[in-house]
Amino acid sequence: KAGVTQTPRYLIKTRGQQVTLSCSPISGHRSVSWYQQTPGQGLQFLFEYFSETQRNKGNFPGRFSGRQFSNSRSEMNVSTLELGDSALYLCASSPGLNQETQYFGPGTRLLVL
Amino acid sequence: AQSVTQLDSQVPVFEEAPVELRCNYSSSVSVYLFWYVQYPNQGLQLLLKYLSGSTLVESINGFEAEFNKSQTSFHLRKPSVHISDTAEYFCAVSGPGGTSYGKLTFGQGTILTVHP
Repeated sequence: KAGVTQTPRYLIKTRGQQVTLSCSPISGHRSVSWYQQTPGQGLQFLFEYFSETQRNKGNFPGRFSGRQFSNSRSEMNVSTLELGDSALYLCASSPGLNQETQYFGPGTRLLVL
Repeated sequence: AQSVTQLDSQVPVFEEAPVELRCNYSSSVSVYLFWYVQYPNQGLQLLLKYLSGSTLVESINGFEAEFNKSQTSFHLRKPSVHISDTAEYFCAVSGPGGTSYGKLTFGQGTILTVHP
């Protein structure tokens, strides 16, 4: 099976812009979780989607949003970018029925100037 | 709320020496425990996991970890490290359903550097 894929791999944006990141889960997986990784804060949970519904969310401002499509692919959007949004954004997929293992994609590295 | 503490931010070790990366967690409910490894400019790769059953779990590349419920620990060990084990290691915890859906709580990571 193909692994989790994320596009794009690298992005450079300026403050105030918005950005959309995409994640395609492993075939058959219905849960997609998103994480932000920064040197200062480490790995932090953003939100999780299962069958097109957000089941859980972390402690991030409303500028961070996401959605999931019927084929389980997921997108996350960050509006009004700030310098502090520069990070590696990771998505992970799992079957979604219980607390199974999450499998991570390679990440999207976002730089906000 | 769950939390994870990795007690060492950096661990230097010589090749072929043993290593232990320490992880303690805090949770009021039953947990599942994971170790992930991250190589530079890559995502996280699952190293091993404890979901239930035997408290000693092993990976295919020689790492092992033991779940100790009384000490709330899940330390990672390898009897003999290789240069290729140089990476950052993350301990993570999740809980059953509810507010834990799809959420892993990670420690701050331990950078393992293997010297020749």
